Amino acid sequence: GIQVEQSPPDLILQEGANSTLRCNFSDSVNNLQWFHQNPWGQLINLFYIPSGTKQNGRLSATTVATERYSLLYISSSQTTDSGVYFCAVASMKTSYDKVIFGPGTSLSVIP
Amino acid sequence: DAEITQSPRHKITETGRQVTLACHQTWNHNNMFWYRQDLGHGLRLIHYSYGVQDTNKGEVSDGYSVSRSNTEDLPLTLESAASSQTSVYFCASSESKLRAIYNEQFFGPGTRLTVL
Repeated sequence: GIQVEQSPPDLILQEGANSTLRCNFSDSVNNLQWFHQNPWGQLINLFYIPSGTKQNGRLSATTVATERYSLLYISSSQTTDSGVYFCAVASMKTSYDKVIFGPGTSLSVIP
Repeated sequence: DAEITQSPRHKITETGRQVTLACHQTWNHNNMFWYRQDLGHGLRLIHYSYGVQDTNKGEVSDGYSVSRSNTEDLPLTLESAASSQTSVYFCASSESKLRAIYNEQFFGPGTRLTVL
């Protein structure tokens, strides 16, 4: 099946710093999403980005489907950005119509 | 605003009891999904539905059942709760556009279930 890797696994940032999170996947995908799981456990949709670049405020994402990776950029980080960031993909090659989540990047933003 | 809700948010039950977790969405999405999230396993698909009267098994469906009598709701039932079913359960939905895998999924807030 498709493998999804994320790096780095853990990240500690000073408030105001910028960061780049990476998601690699092992095969072609039809769907890629980025989620933020906040400290209360809720999964928040950040981007639906099977290809191309999108921006939403301080966050932006780029997916290069041909090279099988996606990047999530966080600029001017805030303490409310803390949590776990998941990349999730879906492919016609999976057995079920499901999204496959990567292991996540745990981000801590300190004041 | 459209949303997806789950209830209860926290549940403690005993081994052997039947438990039902509710999921309700006002997106008018045809596709609905149930996942469980466990440390070391990430999110795993339990059951999913493409519309009323349609249900399908996911990768970890044993011990769980769902029914879809309307567009808005997909309740998840644990027939006889086991300690191995202690987990956080997420419901999700997506609109119908080609196959479900092409569509953006939106997740509910989750239900934390403890089976003693």
